[in-house]
Amino acid sequence: AQKVTQAQTEISVVEKEDVTLDCVYETRDTTYYLFWYKQPPSGELVFLIRRNSFDEQNEISGRYSWNFQKSTSSFNFTITASQVVDSAVYFCAHLTSGSRLTFGEGTQLTVNP
Amino acid sequence: DTEVTQTPKHLVMGMTNKKSLKCEQHMGHRAMYWYKQKAKKPPELMFVYSYEKLSINESVPSRFSPECPNSSLLNLHLHALQPEDSALYLCASSQEGRGAGVRYEQYFGPGTRLTVT
Repeated sequence: AQKVTQAQTEISVVEKEDVTLDCVYETRDTTYYLFWYKQPPSGELVFLIRRNSFDEQNEISGRYSWNFQKSTSSFNFTITASQVVDSAVYFCAHLTSGSRLTFGEGTQLTVNP
Repeated sequence: DTEVTQTPKHLVMGMTNKKSLKCEQHMGHRAMYWYKQKAKKPPELMFVYSYEKLSINESVPSRFSPECPNSSLLNLHLHALQPEDSALYLCASSQEGRGAGVRYEQYFGPGTRLTVT
């Protein structure tokens, strides 16, 4: 069965600090997809990134970067120089050949000014 | 344009009411989804439509009835709900990967906050 673990329930940082959100997944499939979503207080889930199981290349997008390591089944997300607007719940999710997106429990990130 | 719209934003209904939630996307996506999200929990999948046909029903009670009138619209009809059905209902859409093919990200709407009294 698929499972996604986000061990950090809540993280609080001060603006401009770097912060890493951890995600560990379990799967028996050789082909799968991993995602990160952001959910601000307004409620809408905002898609951030998709990563395929056969592409372990790390990615950087502005202040955001993702580290995918199949050897440790991890897909961690780092925000550099955090800002107050980054405050949200962040979900890591996993998808296989079916259409069921399995979410982790989420990490509440609070960035204080 | 990666927008999924949902109406209404908020809904309060009694346990004997009948109401509908609406979702619309114009991205040409052929897969659409309904999720239910309780406070401080991740979204839970309810239904999946693929090419306007119901492909997944996650054992949702019959008081929730989905409908996909066309490739852009998705409805969720509500009848005789219970207070524990109060939640944020999220609609999403994605490109459809056929068979064992590529899978794509889902784009979510802003949700409908439902309160059942």
